[in-house]
Order: sequence, then structure tokens, then C-alpha cells
Amino acid sequence: DAKTTQPPSMDCAEGRAANLPCNHSTISGNEYVYWYRQIHSQGPQYIIHGLKNNETNEMASLIITEDRKSSTLILPHATLRDTAVYYCIVRVEPESPNQAGTALIFGKGTTLSVSS
Amino acid sequence: KAGVTQTPRYLIKTRGQQVTLSCSPISGHRSVSWYQQTPGQGLQFLFEYFSETQRNKGNFPGRFSGRQFSNSRSEMNVSTLELGDSALYLCASSSASGLAGADTQYFGPGTRLTVL
Repeated sequence: DAKTTQPPSMDCAEGRAANLPCNHSTISGNEYVYWYRQIHSQGPQYIIHGLKNNETNEMASLIITEDRKSSTLILPHATLRDTAVYYCIVRVEPESPNQAGTALIFGKGTTLSVSS
Repeated sequence: KAGVTQTPRYLIKTRGQQVTLSCSPISGHRSVSWYQQTPGQGLQFLFEYFSETQRNKGNFPGRFSGRQFSNSRSEMNVSTLELGDSALYLCASSSASGLAGADTQYFGPGTRLTVL
């Protein structure tokens, strides 16, 4: 079972920031928080990940609370092409080349609908 | 860099047949994971291969198998197909470098299998 809880759906107006929440209250100290999104019938697209600190890349920002029990993915200026299912996943990464990390366990995600 | 490629993109088979799907990882990536996505069960982990060895396995019957070649390319096989095997089969690759926070999985576009 997925170790994260996300709202099933959210709406956002084009050009506004989309803030997608995720609860992971049982996260372990060595688990990373990953975000992926999937546009209908395509392969999931990696967005961003982090361990403790907030992270930002060209796609989004990831805000992780200090106790690491929840996080928020921020799409700063949502466009119609950001309409997708967004998945928040916690995962243990390998610590050596010959060690396996845990598999990505996908929940139902949040369906984000961006409208004009 | 070219992304993860999967062939074929679409397949139609009949019950009882077997099928082989192929995945070429991102150049330099040594780990390949396979996932199944159905409307009812969502995205589920099948197995992971690294250095031609399966090192992680999901909860699927033995009809589902895979292998990895020395160039990291991977194939998965499903024998004695059932109607319920109709799904989008996704392949993901990662570097498996062992560096913390650097084991992101990148997905291919998937193979859509329809079993009649």
C-alpha cells in the first residue's frame, strides 16, 4: 500500500500557482519524497524529489515540513499542459551501487485540472 | 540523452498466448524496473533488474518474468495470457550509481497490451 495520502482532485486557474499537498506521516529518516505526474496514457514523468530540504528545479518547487510528515508540490504558473495526475511517493534509495532501493509504490494521486 | 524506449507501443494478443516486451534504458543506466498499470489496480511494481539479475520483485504470478542483457536492455515476458493482463506496461530506468538522492527512475512511454 502507498505510504502517502493525497486529495483525489484539485482545480487551478491557468497562470496561478498550483499547490498540491501530500501527507506521509510514517515516513522514515532515509526515505525520499518523490513527485511524478502522468498525462493520460503516457508514462509517468519525474518532477522533483527531496529528503529534508526544500528543492526547486525548472518544473516545480518541493516544500517539505520540518518534521517531514507532509510536503507540498508547487507549480508556480500552471498551464493547461499541467493537467495530469500527480503522484507523491516515498522511497528508500540505495546507498551503494549494488544495493536495491525500494520500488515506487503509487497511490491514486491527485488529478489536477487547470482551466483557462 | 535519449529517453527510455519501449517496443512495441501497442500489442493485441489472444488468451493463452505469450508476449515479450522490450525496454531500452537511458544510456548509462544500469537498473531497469517494470510496472503494470490497469484501471482497477493502478500502477503496480513487477520487478527490477540490475547487472542482469533480478534484485526486487512485486507480487505477481510466475507467468510474469523478465531478463536483462549485458547492455542493460531488458525484456519482460508474460505467458499464458489472461484477459486481466490487458494493461499499460511501463519500464523505468535509473543509474543505480549508489549516490544518495541520485537514483531517480525515468519512465518510458509504455506498451499497451490488449488481450482478447
